Amino acid sequence: DAGITQSPRHKVTETGTPVTLRCHQTENHRYMYWYRQDPGHGLRLIHYSYGVKDTDKGEVSDGYSVSRSKTEDFLLTLESATSSQTSVYFCAIRGRTDTQYFGPGTRLTVL
Amino acid sequence: SQQGEEDPQALSIQEGENATMNCSYKTSINNLQWYRQNSGRGLVHLILIRSNEREKHSGRLRVTLDTSKKSSSLLITASRAADTASYFCATDATGANNLFFGTGTRLTVIP
Repeated sequence: DAGITQSPRHKVTETGTPVTLRCHQTENHRYMYWYRQDPGHGLRLIHYSYGVKDTDKGEVSDGYSVSRSKTEDFLLTLESATSSQTSVYFCAIRGRTDTQYFGPGTRLTVL
Repeated sequence: SQQGEEDPQALSIQEGENATMNCSYKTSINNLQWYRQNSGRGLVHLILIRSNEREKHSGRLRVTLDTSKKSSSLLITASRAADTASYFCATDATGANNLFFGTGTRLTVIP
């Protein structure tokens, strides 16, 4: 599992509130990713990072921002949560052989 | 837009039978990866096949890749009830820094 943890694991929030999800890795991997998983869509990339302070947008980045101030932490922020952002969020890292390893996920419900 | 598309969307077989899932994709790739996801859990990496490989084995798993047809297949032999899960293909597209996932095949193995 490449030492990946996500927090919180579950969160219920209200529309319009800010939410930050945290991904933490213990093995110093350069690349980190945030995906969301919704029924009928598989996993879709939100943002990714290729180093400290180096990030780029993915397929569904609108409404999300990220930050990476340390190698081990990659934060995903919903500035003003909407019901369409209700989803399961997965963090991943890229290992040495190009394989991606995923965290356990965060289930977010926006009421 | 998604790179990989799995077929079938759902598959139900008896324990001991073989299960075959197919994946088609759209552009050139560096590698293609298969993942398993048990209900409510994170994704587990199964196997990675590079663009210059045609077939790869891992235990009861056999993966083939046909880059001329832009397709891959995952064969699970002698299936077990514990193989019940969703299976996703993901493509590492040339020039991209992330994976593109399909919508998955839901496999049910009946004891």
